Amino acid sequence: DIVMTQSPLSLSVTLGEPAAISCRSSQSLVHSHGYSCLDWYLQKPGQSPQLLIYLGSRRASGVPDRFSGSGSGTDFTLEISRVEAEDVGVYYCMQAIHITQVTFGQGTRLDIK
Amino acid sequence: QVQLVESGGGVVHPGGSLRISCATSGFRFIDYGMHWLRQAPGKGLEWVAFIVFDGKADNYEDSVRGRFTVTRDNSKNTVYLEMNGLRVEDSAVYYCQKEGLSEYGAYVGFVNWGPGTRVTVSS
Repeated sequence: DIVMTQSPLSLSVTLGEPAAISCRSSQSLVHSHGYSCLDWYLQKPGQSPQLLIYLGSRRASGVPDRFSGSGSGTDFTLEISRVEAEDVGVYYCMQAIHITQVTFGQGTRLDIK
Repeated sequence: QVQLVESGGGVVHPGGSLRISCATSGFRFIDYGMHWLRQAPGKGLEWVAFIVFDGKADNYEDSVRGRFTVTRDNSKNTVYLEMNGLRVEDSAVYYCQKEGLSEYGAYVGFVNWGPGTRVTVSS
């Protein structure tokens, strides 16, 4: 089974400042088509998760461009260029290289300093 | 518009059984595999089970294998999770998810999420 490890597990950021979350997988997530099968999700307080980034770096529809994903292979990063109050919640990375058995990271809680 | 609506959760005693459902709409159900995911109180997201498009194969997370069974009714666009031998640690909000592919077969992630259904296992 692929293990996903996120860091940090919590993050306190000043409004308008950048933030970055790291995600490492125990196996390469590079698919034969060349893309990395890594998603990022945000779960805001009291809500179901929402998709932010898929295939490592592709923003989902409606996601603000302050969110960006990068990385390949086993190391990935989610960056928020300027944190806003609505970005508070728990961020999860998820591997989908094994599309019938996905795995999530532990989650990273972001709050406002 | 893809919709996933989970239902059937409730409170059950340890060792008990429960069947939860996920009614879907807005996409061609028979073309997609379906997942069940869960989130225990205050914990992270966890994959639970997967069933292929025609119901002829499935896969389970180790802790539920042999206790949970995922099925689907393609005539009703609905996927089910039959849970037997429930344990306190199975308490969670359960979400269903459509296989993360577009109608063209490209990977697009888990775009749509339902509200989930809460299962509480307690004596």
